[in-house]
Amino acid sequence: DTGVSQDPRHKITKRGQNVTFRCDPISEHNRLYWYRQTLGQGPEFLTYFQNEAQLEKSRLLSDRFSAERPKGSFSTLEIQRTEQGDSAMYLCASSLESGVGNQPQHFGDGTRLSIL
Amino acid sequence: QKEVEQDPGPLSVPEGAIVSLNCTYSNSAFQYFMWYRQYSRKGPELLMYTYSSGNKEDGRFTAQVDKSSKYISLFIRDSQPSDSATYLCAMSVGTYKYIFGTGTRLKVLA
Repeated sequence: DTGVSQDPRHKITKRGQNVTFRCDPISEHNRLYWYRQTLGQGPEFLTYFQNEAQLEKSRLLSDRFSAERPKGSFSTLEIQRTEQGDSAMYLCASSLESGVGNQPQHFGDGTRLSIL
Repeated sequence: QKEVEQDPGPLSVPEGAIVSLNCTYSNSAFQYFMWYRQYSRKGPELLMYTYSSGNKEDGRFTAQVDKSSKYISLFIRDSQPSDSATYLCAMSVGTYKYIFGTGTRLKVLA
Protein backbone atom coordinates (compact mmCIF):
# COMPACT_ATOMS: atom_id res chain seq x y z
CA ASP A 1 0.00 0.00 0.00
CA THR A 2 1.89 3.02 -1.27
CA GLY A 3 -0.87 5.51 -0.54
CA VAL A 4 -2.49 8.10 -2.79
CA SER A 5 0.07 9.88 -4.96
CA GLN A 6 -0.39 13.34 -6.50
CA ASP A 7 1.73 15.16 -9.02
CA PRO A 8 2.97 17.86 -9.12
CA ARG A 9 3.12 18.88 -5.48
CA HIS A 10 3.22 22.55 -6.35
CA LYS A 11 2.25 24.34 -9.55
CA ILE A 12 2.82 28.05 -10.19
CA THR A 13 1.23 29.50 -13.30
CA LYS A 14 0.06 32.76 -14.79
CA ARG A 15 -3.58 33.73 -14.89
CA GLY A 16 -5.24 32.44 -18.05
CA GLN A 17 -3.02 29.39 -18.47
CA ASN A 18 -4.28 25.80 -18.40
CA VAL A 19 -3.05 23.36 -15.76
CA THR A 20 -3.43 19.62 -15.29
CA PHE A 21 -2.94 17.60 -12.12
CA ARG A 22 -2.59 13.85 -11.78
CA CYS A 23 -3.72 11.49 -9.02
CA ASP A 24 -2.76 7.83 -8.59
CA PRO A 25 -5.08 6.16 -6.07
CA ILE A 26 -4.34 3.24 -3.78
CA SER A 27 -4.15 0.35 -6.22
CA GLU A 28 -7.21 -1.70 -5.20
CA HIS A 29 -9.47 1.33 -4.65
CA ASN A 30 -12.32 1.71 -7.12
CA ARG A 31 -13.50 5.14 -5.98
CA LEU A 32 -11.56 8.34 -6.52
CA TYR A 33 -12.44 11.82 -5.26
CA TRP A 34 -11.27 15.37 -5.86
CA TYR A 35 -11.51 18.09 -3.20
CA ARG A 36 -10.32 21.67 -3.02
CA GLN A 37 -8.95 23.26 0.15
CA THR A 38 -8.27 26.95 0.69
CA LEU A 39 -6.30 28.44 3.57
CA GLY A 40 -8.02 28.08 6.93
CA GLN A 41 -10.85 25.97 5.51
CA GLY A 42 -11.64 22.30 5.33
CA PRO A 43 -11.62 20.43 2.02
CA GLU A 44 -14.64 20.94 -0.25
CA PHE A 45 -15.96 18.14 -2.44
CA LEU A 46 -15.56 18.65 -6.20
CA THR A 47 -16.30 15.33 -7.90
CA TYR A 48 -15.91 11.58 -7.66
CA PHE A 49 -15.49 8.50 -9.83
CA GLN A 50 -16.57 4.93 -9.38
CA ASN A 51 -14.13 3.07 -11.63
CA GLU A 52 -14.11 5.16 -14.83
CA ALA A 53 -17.57 6.69 -14.39
CA GLN A 54 -17.85 10.23 -13.05
CA LEU A 55 -20.92 10.01 -10.82
CA GLU A 56 -21.27 13.44 -9.26
CA LYS A 57 -19.95 16.93 -9.76
CA SER A 58 -20.24 19.78 -7.28
CA ARG A 59 -21.53 23.15 -8.45
CA LEU A 60 -18.07 24.38 -7.40
CA LEU A 61 -16.79 22.61 -10.51
CA SER A 62 -17.33 25.27 -13.15
CA ASP A 63 -17.17 24.53 -16.88
CA ARG A 64 -13.46 25.48 -16.80
CA PHE A 65 -12.80 22.34 -14.77
CA SER A 66 -12.76 18.84 -16.17
CA ALA A 67 -11.81 15.56 -14.57
CA GLU A 68 -11.20 12.19 -16.14
CA ARG A 69 -10.36 8.72 -14.97
CA PRO A 70 -9.61 6.63 -18.05
CA LYS A 71 -9.66 2.87 -17.46
CA GLY A 72 -10.57 3.41 -13.83
CA SER A 73 -6.98 3.86 -12.70
CA PHE A 74 -5.29 7.26 -12.36
CA SER A 75 -7.24 10.50 -12.68
CA THR A 76 -6.49 13.95 -14.07
CA LEU A 77 -8.02 17.28 -13.12
CA GLU A 78 -7.65 20.06 -15.67
CA ILE A 79 -8.38 23.73 -15.10
CA GLN A 80 -8.64 25.89 -18.20
CA ARG A 81 -8.11 29.67 -18.28
CA THR A 82 -7.03 29.79 -14.64
CA GLU A 83 -8.22 32.64 -12.43
CA GLN A 84 -6.87 34.08 -9.17
CA GLY A 85 -9.68 32.38 -7.28
CA ASP A 86 -8.44 28.97 -8.40
CA SER A 87 -5.44 29.25 -6.08
CA ALA A 88 -5.90 26.43 -3.57
CA MET A 89 -4.73 22.99 -2.58
CA TYR A 90 -6.30 20.30 -4.77
CA LEU A 91 -6.63 17.04 -2.89
CA CYS A 92 -7.29 13.59 -4.26
CA ALA A 93 -8.67 10.74 -2.17
CA SER A 94 -9.56 7.13 -2.84
CA SER A 95 -11.59 4.40 -1.19
CA LEU A 96 -12.80 0.87 -1.74
CA GLU A 97 -16.53 0.49 -2.23
CA SER A 98 -17.27 -3.21 -2.12
CA GLY A 99 -20.96 -3.26 -1.25
CA VAL A 100 -20.13 -5.32 1.83
CA GLY A 101 -18.74 -2.59 4.04
CA ASN A 102 -18.09 1.07 3.44
CA GLN A 103 -14.48 2.11 3.70
CA PRO A 104 -13.25 5.63 4.48
CA GLN A 105 -11.44 7.93 2.09
CA HIS A 106 -7.67 8.19 2.17
CA PHE A 107 -6.07 11.39 0.95
CA GLY A 108 -2.93 12.27 -0.92
CA ASP A 109 -0.72 15.24 -0.03
CA GLY A 110 -2.33 17.44 -2.65
CA THR A 111 -1.21 19.77 -5.42
CA ARG A 112 -0.84 23.35 -4.33
CA LEU A 113 -1.81 25.73 -7.16
CA SER A 114 -0.60 29.31 -7.12
CA ILE A 115 -1.90 31.75 -9.74
CA LEU A 116 0.29 34.77 -10.42
CA GLN B 1 -25.15 28.58 8.84
CA LYS B 2 -22.59 25.99 7.84
CA GLU B 3 -23.59 22.32 7.91
CA VAL B 4 -20.58 21.51 10.10
CA GLU B 5 -19.22 23.91 12.71
CA GLN B 6 -15.77 23.57 14.25
CA ASP B 7 -13.86 26.02 16.46
CA PRO B 8 -10.69 27.01 14.53
CA GLY B 9 -8.59 27.48 17.67
CA PRO B 10 -5.69 27.61 18.15
CA LEU B 11 -5.88 25.33 21.14
CA SER B 12 -2.69 25.18 23.23
CA VAL B 13 -2.17 22.47 25.85
CA PRO B 14 0.81 21.18 27.84
CA GLU B 15 2.35 17.85 26.98
CA GLY B 16 0.50 14.97 28.62
CA ALA B 17 -2.85 16.77 28.77
CA ILE B 18 -6.12 15.30 27.58
CA VAL B 19 -7.35 17.16 24.50
CA SER B 20 -11.00 17.49 23.59
CA LEU B 21 -11.94 18.52 20.05
CA ASN B 22 -15.54 19.01 18.98
CA CYS B 23 -17.83 19.58 16.03
CA THR B 24 -21.52 20.32 15.78
CA TYR B 25 -23.67 19.76 12.74
CA SER B 26 -27.13 20.59 11.47
CA ASN B 27 -27.94 17.78 9.03
CA SER B 28 -29.62 14.93 10.90
CA ALA B 29 -29.11 12.66 7.88
CA PHE B 30 -25.34 12.38 8.48
CA GLN B 31 -24.45 8.74 9.23
CA TYR B 32 -20.67 8.54 8.85
CA PHE B 33 -18.33 10.56 11.05
CA MET B 34 -14.58 10.91 10.55
CA TRP B 35 -11.64 12.65 12.16
CA TYR B 36 -8.57 13.55 10.14
CA ARG B 37 -5.24 15.04 11.21
CA GLN B 38 -3.48 17.42 8.84
CA TYR B 39 0.09 18.62 9.18
CA SER B 40 1.22 21.76 7.39
CA ARG B 41 1.51 21.29 3.61
CA LYS B 42 0.31 17.68 3.87
CA GLY B 43 -2.95 15.93 3.08
CA PRO B 44 -5.50 14.87 5.72
CA GLU B 45 -4.61 11.63 7.49
CA LEU B 46 -7.48 9.45 8.70
CA LEU B 47 -7.59 8.98 12.48
CA MET B 48 -11.08 7.67 13.23
CA TYR B 49 -14.07 6.44 11.23
CA THR B 50 -17.40 5.73 12.89
CA TYR B 51 -20.88 4.86 11.72
CA SER B 52 -23.93 6.14 13.58
CA SER B 53 -23.74 6.83 17.32
CA GLY B 54 -21.46 5.60 20.07
CA ASN B 55 -17.82 5.55 21.05
CA LYS B 56 -14.77 4.17 19.31
CA GLU B 57 -11.29 3.89 20.77
CA ASP B 58 -7.96 3.46 19.00
CA GLY B 59 -4.84 3.80 21.10
CA ARG B 60 -4.72 7.31 22.57
CA PHE B 61 -7.70 8.45 20.50
CA THR B 62 -11.40 8.15 21.37
CA ALA B 63 -14.19 9.32 19.09
CA GLN B 64 -17.71 9.96 20.36
CA VAL B 65 -20.85 10.57 18.34
CA ASP B 66 -24.05 11.92 19.90
CA LYS B 67 -26.61 12.06 17.13
CA SER B 68 -29.38 13.31 19.42
CA SER B 69 -27.34 16.44 20.13
CA LYS B 70 -25.72 16.55 16.66
CA TYR B 71 -22.32 16.68 18.34
CA ILE B 72 -19.12 14.71 17.82
CA SER B 73 -15.91 14.70 19.81
CA LEU B 74 -12.35 13.47 19.55
CA PHE B 75 -10.33 12.93 22.73
CA ILE B 76 -6.56 12.61 22.68
CA ARG B 77 -4.97 11.18 25.82
CA ASP B 78 -1.38 11.80 26.89
CA SER B 79 -0.93 14.42 24.19
CA GLN B 80 2.52 14.75 22.61
CA PRO B 81 4.23 17.62 20.75
CA SER B 82 3.97 15.45 17.63
CA ASP B 83 0.17 15.72 17.93
CA SER B 84 0.45 19.42 17.04
CA ALA B 85 -1.54 19.72 13.82
CA THR B 86 -4.92 20.76 12.46
CA TYR B 87 -7.74 18.33 13.27
CA LEU B 88 -10.60 18.13 10.80
CA CYS B 89 -13.96 16.56 11.44
CA ALA B 90 -15.87 15.23 8.44
CA MET B 91 -19.33 13.78 7.97
CA SER B 92 -21.39 12.26 5.22
CA VAL B 93 -24.88 11.06 4.48
CA GLY B 94 -23.75 8.40 2.05
CA THR B 95 -20.22 7.19 1.46
CA TYR B 96 -18.86 9.58 -1.13
CA LYS B 97 -19.37 13.28 -0.33
CA TYR B 98 -17.63 14.28 2.87
CA ILE B 99 -18.53 17.61 4.47
CA PHE B 100 -15.61 18.95 6.49
CA GLY B 101 -15.36 21.39 9.35
CA THR B 102 -12.87 24.23 9.10
CA GLY B 103 -10.39 22.39 11.33
CA THR B 104 -9.02 23.11 14.82
CA ARG B 105 -5.34 24.00 15.17
CA LEU B 106 -3.80 22.18 18.13
CA LYS B 107 -0.45 23.02 19.74
CA VAL B 108 0.98 20.67 22.33
CA LEU B 109 3.70 22.41 24.29
CA ALA B 110 6.74 20.42 25.50
